[in-house]
Amino acid sequence: KAGVTQTPRYLIKTRGQQVTLSCSPISGHRSVSWYQQTPGQGLQFLFEYFSETQRNKGNFPGRFSGRQFSNSRSEMNVSTLELGDSALYLCASREGANEKLFFGSGTQLSVL
Amino acid sequence: DQQVKQNSPSLSVQEGRISILNCDYTNSMFDYFLWYKKYPAEGPTFLISISSIKDKNEDGRFTVFLNKSAKHLSLHIVPSQPGDSAVYFCAASAGGGNQFYFGTGTSLTVIP
Repeated sequence: KAGVTQTPRYLIKTRGQQVTLSCSPISGHRSVSWYQQTPGQGLQFLFEYFSETQRNKGNFPGRFSGRQFSNSRSEMNVSTLELGDSALYLCASREGANEKLFFGSGTQLSVL
Repeated sequence: DQQVKQNSPSLSVQEGRISILNCDYTNSMFDYFLWYKKYPAEGPTFLISISSIKDKNEDGRFTVFLNKSAKHLSLHIVPSQPGDSAVYFCAASAGGGNQFYFGTGTSLTVIP
């Protein structure tokens, strides 16, 4: 099976712009989660989607949003970018509850 | 509030010796724990997991120990190899929950 695919790998934006990141989960995985990784902060949970419904949301401002399509692919959107949004954004999929997460390679976002 | 903590940001070990990475958690509802390994510019890859009904799980050179009373888990790597040099994250979830809580990571360097 193909792994979790994230596009693009790298992205450079300026403050105030918006960005959309894409994630294709492993075939058959209906759960997709998004995490933000910054130096010294570990992986911070953004949200999880299952069957097109957001099941859980982390402690991030409303500028961060996401959605999931009927084929389980997911997108994450960040509006009005701030310098502090510069981070590695990781997408992960899993088969079900109490199953391990499989991560993509991430999208490295730089906000200038 | 960081519910999963890795208090050692870095660890250096000689090749062939044992590496011990530690993780503490605060939420007594956590019942599923995982360890991930991460290389720069890549997504985390799953190493080993343990559920709260066990206190030890082994997979080759990797063993995870869980001490529920102390809310502590550790990852032992024996023998350590230079290819083990990476950042290691522990993660926890509760009751088949939709969110994993990650620690801030420990950077392991195995010296040849």
